[in-house]
Order: sequence, then structure tokens, then C-alpha cells
Amino acid sequence: DTVMTQTPLSLSVTPGQPASISCKSSQSLLDRDGKTYLYWYLQKPGQPPKPLIYEVSNRFSGVPDRFSGSGSGTDFTLKISRVEAEDVGVYYCMQSIQLPRTFGQGTKVEIK
Amino acid sequence: EVQLLESGGGLVQPGGSLRLSCAASGFTFSNYVMNWVRQAPGKGLAWDSAISPGGANTYYADSVKGRFTISRDNSKNTLYLQMNSLRFEDTAVYYCAKDRSGRGAFDIWGQGTMVTVSS
Repeated sequence: DTVMTQTPLSLSVTPGQPASISCKSSQSLLDRDGKTYLYWYLQKPGQPPKPLIYEVSNRFSGVPDRFSGSGSGTDFTLKISRVEAEDVGVYYCMQSIQLPRTFGQGTKVEIK
Repeated sequence: EVQLLESGGGLVQPGGSLRLSCAASGFTFSNYVMNWVRQAPGKGLAWDSAISPGGANTYYADSVKGRFTISRDNSKNTLYLQMNSLRFEDTAVYYCAKDRSGRGAFDIWGQGTMVTVSS
């Protein structure tokens, strides 16, 4: 199975400041079709997960542009340019280069 | 409105069975891969199973293979998860999720249904 490792596991951010989460996979997520199958999801407290980013760097519909994804191969980053209070929750990366789909451990983001 | 609504969770003894349902609305259910993802209390997300749009192909995590069966009824816009031989470690909230691309773009999630395995 592809192991997904996120760092840090928790993050306390002042509103308006940037935040960055790293996600590393145990194998390359670049598929033969040229796409890289790395996703980001946010789970706000008491809610189901919601999609943020697909295929490394593409925002799902309705996701604010302060969220951006980057990376390639096995190393990926989610950045929030200016954290807002509504961004609190647990962020998960997920790979779908192969089955089973596997998630990172999650990074809990809170506001200072 | 695009929506997924799970039901069927509850308290069950170890070794028991439960069937979860996920009712879909607001989109053409039969066009999409569907998934079950669990979350144990206080823990992260874990993918359990997926099924192809027509239902011919099913996929499972090793932890549930042979115990859980995913199925769908496209005429009823409903996804199912038959859970047998339940274990304490199956205690979790179970989410169904629509896969927009067939490759992990889980764009719609249900609210989840809680399964508690306890004696």
C-alpha cells in the first residue's frame, strides 16, 4: 500500500498569516496517463470531509483561491495564503494512484 | 441539490452483521464510482471499498475483504455496504462518497452513519 505521511500533525496560525502542510507518499503518484493522483480534503469540526484540491493543484468548484496545491512525484504541499477562522479543521491528503486509496494522518489547523 | 444520505448504522455485537445504505439524489447516480470511507472515533479517514458505475467491479481494503460487500441498485439510486463478522475495530462513522473522476475525486460526501461494535 502507498503510505502517505503528513507534516506537521498540528498547526496553530494567526488569522491573515500563511500556512503550509506537507504530504509525502511512499511511491510516485505520477500515473502513465501523465496525471498525478494526489488530493486534499478538509474536515471541519463535526462535518464530513469536503474536497479542496484534485490532481495536485486544481481547486474543486467553490474552493477559495487562498488555497493552493503544488508538488510532484512523492512530495506535495498545500498552502493557505491567508488563513481565515473558517479554515479550522483537519486537512488530509489522499492518493489514488493505486488501490487501496490511502490518506495521510491528517493535519489539525487551529487559529491562535 | 446533490446529496448523499447514509442510514443503517447502530449498535451491534462482535460477530454480528449490519447493512448500511446511502441514498443519492441530485445527480445521475449510475454514472459514477461510489465509495465507502470510515472514520474511527478520534481518528483519521480510511477507505474501505469502491464499486464501479454499473456494479460489475468491486474493490476492498484488505481489512474488510471477505467480510464486507459493497453493492448498488441504480434503479433506486442507492449504495449499500453489507457488513458481516463485525469486529470491535470496525467501530466508526461510515461515509459514502461520490467519485467524480473514478480516480479519487470524492466531490460529494454524505453526513455519515455511526456503527458501534460492542458487547
